[in-house]
Amino acid sequence: EPEVTQTPSHQVTQMGQEVILRCVPISNHLYFYWYRQILGQKVEFLVSFYNNEISEKSEIFDDQFSVERPDGSNFTLKIRSTKLEDSAMYFCASSDRGSQPQHFGDGTRLSIL
Amino acid sequence: GQQLNQSPQSMFIQEGEDVSMNCTSSSIFNTWLWYKQEPGEGPVLLIALYKAGELTSNGRLTAQFGITRKDSFLNISASIPSDVGIYFCAGQLWASGSRLTFGEGTQLTVNP
Repeated sequence: EPEVTQTPSHQVTQMGQEVILRCVPISNHLYFYWYRQILGQKVEFLVSFYNNEISEKSEIFDDQFSVERPDGSNFTLKIRSTKLEDSAMYFCASSDRGSQPQHFGDGTRLSIL
Repeated sequence: GQQLNQSPQSMFIQEGEDVSMNCTSSSIFNTWLWYKQEPGEGPVLLIALYKAGELTSNGRLTAQFGITRKDSFLNISASIPSDVGIYFCAGQLWASGSRLTFGEGTQLTVNP
């Protein structure tokens, strides 16, 4: 069964450094998403992306965050200058249409020191 | 933003028992989804509901989309040890884009 894949599985970064999280969505999907989950809390929406542009973003997704689809298969989330509170699991998801269920990857655990 | 209230927060049951959990919202959703998350993994889709009143099954799992569009429940029948995990409800409102709003989760523990 097709799946969303994310790399790396765990990223440890010094505060203030830039980090890029990578995702390969399911191949025929057109809608892409990033969510985060702080340890022990619920999953929170960050951003959705369709047709090479952001379609929606949450209040969490501030100027330090950006997303990009650099080629036909990858979808990335960049945090420009990481803060301690950015430590969380980051999940990528994709769907073939906006109204269809989103399928999630296994996440990247981001630890900011 | 929209808030989902999911209950119970945790459940400790014996193998073979039935389980029920639910989510309520102060506003409507077009779609309700139920996901299961196990340690170190992402949420895995269990059931998706698209119409008010819809009742859908997936094996031992049954979920319903409330008539008011503001609630949903998930039942698990004859629980087994591998049902252990965190169950999340999620609502989607198409008018506000495609974002999913998640509940707080129900931690299920099944004792053999």
